[in-house]
Amino acid sequence: AQSVTQLGSHVSVSEGALVLLRCNYSSSVPPYLFWYVQYPNQGLQLLLKYTSAATLVKGINGFEAEFKKSETSFHLTKPSAHMSDAAEYFCAVSAGFGNEKLTFGTGTRLTIIP
Amino acid sequence: EAGVAQSPRYKIIEKRQSVAFWCNPISGHATLYWYQQILGQGPKLLIQFQNNGVVDDSQLPKDRFSAERLKGVDSTLKIQPAKLEDSAVYLCASSGSDRVGTQYFGPGTRLLVL
Repeated sequence: AQSVTQLGSHVSVSEGALVLLRCNYSSSVPPYLFWYVQYPNQGLQLLLKYTSAATLVKGINGFEAEFKKSETSFHLTKPSAHMSDAAEYFCAVSAGFGNEKLTFGTGTRLTIIP
Repeated sequence: EAGVAQSPRYKIIEKRQSVAFWCNPISGHATLYWYQQILGQGPKLLIQFQNNGVVDDSQLPKDRFSAERLKGVDSTLKIQPAKLEDSAVYLCASSGSDRVGTQYFGPGTRLLVL
């Protein structure tokens, strides 16, 4: 069984500041991990994914995430926040090929302060 | 490449009425998923198809929800009769042949049951 915990349902940062969104996972098998972003009234857009290759994963829009097995974490970061980053962010886990079902966290709403 | 298409985008119905949602996946994607996203929560998988066969429908409330994927392409999700707690966004996603099973989401259908 797999699960995801996203710490902080709401995060506010100033424009230009570091963005850090936290995700911890639980998985009985080596996981595949994903970050998706959801803008208002839209579907989910894939930001980045971890597939057991490099532990530091770079995604779109300047985001990156680091897989830390010892901490069972996959936190999302961006060095400098932009107003356009305001959205809901979801972390998700799957067991990979043959069992691609995604289990999502409850999401973190990111607000950017001008 | 065209993305996942869904219709309608919005639907308002009275409780006990029926409703149907349509999804057209990315061309060539064999796997199709329907998720339910209740306000303030992460998406929850309802059903997964591989071509036109059901892989996982363990969380589909089968007394009122049904889904089909004729010819292994388009899919419809039906609710009959609808309850107030079915108010949610219904997301369709598809995945292709990459070993990770990366899922790409449509814009969703927002359902309000009155």
